[in-house]
Amino acid sequence: AQKVTQAQTEISVVEKEDVTLDCVYETRDTTYYLFWYKQPPSGELVFLIRRNSFDEQNEISGRYSWNFQKSTSSFNFTITASQVVDSAVYFCALSGGYYGGSQGNLIFGKGTKLSVKP
Amino acid sequence: DAGITQSPRHKVTETGTPVTLRCHQTENHRYMYWYRQDPGHGLRLIHYSYGVKDTDKGEVSDGYSVSRSKTEDFLLTLESATSSQTSVYFCAISDLAKERRTDTQYFGPGTRLTVL
Repeated sequence: AQKVTQAQTEISVVEKEDVTLDCVYETRDTTYYLFWYKQPPSGELVFLIRRNSFDEQNEISGRYSWNFQKSTSSFNFTITASQVVDSAVYFCALSGGYYGGSQGNLIFGKGTKLSVKP
Repeated sequence: DAGITQSPRHKVTETGTPVTLRCHQTENHRYMYWYRQDPGHGLRLIHYSYGVKDTDKGEVSDGYSVSRSKTEDFLLTLESATSSQTSVYFCAISDLAKERRTDTQYFGPGTRLTVL
């Protein structure tokens, strides 16, 4: 069975602080994909990143960075120098691709609500 | 932004009435999905489609049916709405990459449904 755990339900930081959102996953697939989505207060879901299980390189995009560690089944997301506009609910998701018959279906964590205060 | 629209965006209905939500895409993507989002549960898959007239159940499919008669439209029907189906419903689309690997799902703006 596939599962995604985001243990942090809510995090509150002050602007310019760094913050890390944790994501731990479980899967029996050898090929799988991990995603992060952002849901701002306006409600839409915004795609941030996709990472496949063969690529353990960390990725940086501006103030965002992702740390994928297969050994600990984790795919953590760090925001450096947080800003008020980063306030949102962040979802981590897992997909087994099309090999497991799941047709690319996403399994979501329950989300972490990040509040960045000025 | 991916061309995905959902209609209606908001709906209030009464228990026992039928409800149909529409997802429309202009990307010609093969895969379409319906999720529901509830507090404390994240997003959960209701049904998905992998082509015209090809659909399958997701994690929480009871009480829902879907249809896809055209590539661009994916309909979600609640045959007899119940209060437990009060939720925010999201449609998503994705395409099949060359290597048959997962492509990214892009989401519509959501429909807020309230069943009284």
